[in-house]
Amino acid sequence: GEDVEQSLFLSVREGDSSVINCTYTDSSSTYLYWYKQEPGAGLQLLTYIFSNMDMKQDQRLTVLLNKKDKHLSLRIADTQTGDSAIYFCAENQAGTALIFGKGTTLSVSS
Amino acid sequence: NAGVMQNPRHLVRRRGQEARLRCSPMKGHSHVYWYRQLPEEGLKFMVYLQKENIIDESGMPKERFSAEFPKEGPSILRIQQVVRGDSAAYFCASSPRQGHGDTEAFFGQGTRLTVV
Repeated sequence: GEDVEQSLFLSVREGDSSVINCTYTDSSSTYLYWYKQEPGAGLQLLTYIFSNMDMKQDQRLTVLLNKKDKHLSLRIADTQTGDSAIYFCAENQAGTALIFGKGTTLSVSS
Repeated sequence: NAGVMQNPRHLVRRRGQEARLRCSPMKGHSHVYWYRQLPEEGLKFMVYLQKENIIDESGMPKERFSAEFPKEGPSILRIQQVVRGDSAAYFCASSPRQGHGDTEAFFGQGTRLTVV
């Protein structure tokens, strides 16, 4: 397909791990990104991964990349209520602009 | 170093009016991207500009929309004769070189346009 696909909603309990999945479109994309958007705010870059990597870890965040299946995931360990937001997966095609998914709304309950 | 500054944060226009959205990139950044976010959608690329040049406008609607990034001053996204379907959040991002790449393209807070 031509769209970056994400599941729309994820609900977890505080302290649990969250896994947000994404399927991207272009196997030649060199960078893949995860952005966080809180209500009424702009986008905050959480992390990115270069396409020749399988995994990247940054504190509570772990990104896994499966190039064969064009699948990207973001794992948030020990999810907190402050992690509640919309998470966007994006790929960098042709070095110019980002192609975004529709976003996954993460809801964290205490 | 202030981040990417967009103004206004909120803009209300009546149908048929013009909307001007401004984006001041981060200091030292000469590349600007505009994206539009429709309600409950992801961001869609509109246009990519360098100082005084439009590099890629493949995401811009062919009519009523224009963008510029003059040598001095902010980048402007202009929407003429707005319609209700233009209601959206418009985000600007800037980077020091072409493409988002491994360089974080910093996003502004966005301008939320409401057409009534």
